[in-house]
Amino acid sequence: QKEVEQDPGPLSVPEGAIVSLNCTYSNSAFQYFMWYRQYSRKGPELLMYTYSSGNKEDGRFTAQVDKSSKYISLFIRDSQPSDSATYLCAMALYSSASKIIFGSGTRLSIRP
Amino acid sequence: NAGVTQTPKFQVLKTGQSMTLQCAQDMNHNSMYWYRQDPGMGLRLIYYSASEGTTDKGEVPNGYNVSRLNKREFSLRLESAAPSQTSVYFCASSDGDSTYEQYFGPGTRLTVT
Repeated sequence: QKEVEQDPGPLSVPEGAIVSLNCTYSNSAFQYFMWYRQYSRKGPELLMYTYSSGNKEDGRFTAQVDKSSKYISLFIRDSQPSDSATYLCAMALYSSASKIIFGSGTRLSIRP
Repeated sequence: NAGVTQTPKFQVLKTGQSMTLQCAQDMNHNSMYWYRQDPGMGLRLIYYSASEGTTDKGEVPNGYNVSRLNKREFSLRLESAAPSQTSVYFCASSDGDSTYEQYFGPGTRLTVT
């Protein structure tokens, strides 16, 4: 069993829709939860991170962590074609942890 | 600021050949990383360097060696390439206190025939 599981998609939604992306994990010791966005043929870039449980909002993006269920989500409101990318969840034990565990990524396509 | 740069962008090798992938960062970061990305497998850590002068194995180190040449540069060497090493290789760097925020280079697409 992988430490982090993520549905690979692809997920295709119309412009303006609310998108929900999810990951589950097995190691209850994870404390830092990240979402990276990767455009085609580019390197990943950090979109958001959350420490421990709860919600974090940044513009149209909301990250949620439910540690009791070992489940994290990323919501995208008013989705735009420019949001079309692969979204990778990632987790770490500590802020200065040397290793981040990445999910396999969900490919998202927003149809104009 | 260029951020994280990688060379080359593309490479085709024959089985058994060797090559070195170069990575440099200009953000004065302490930590640097090498990942490979394969379809359905996500990013897997090959080696990392928490600080200048130190290197450690990641999840998939077999068949690779690394050198942290100085604070800016971290190279990855394939001594005897195998078709299983066909992948996209990413270098990343981070500040030592917030390693969850990693900055990635544009990647090197390597094909081993």
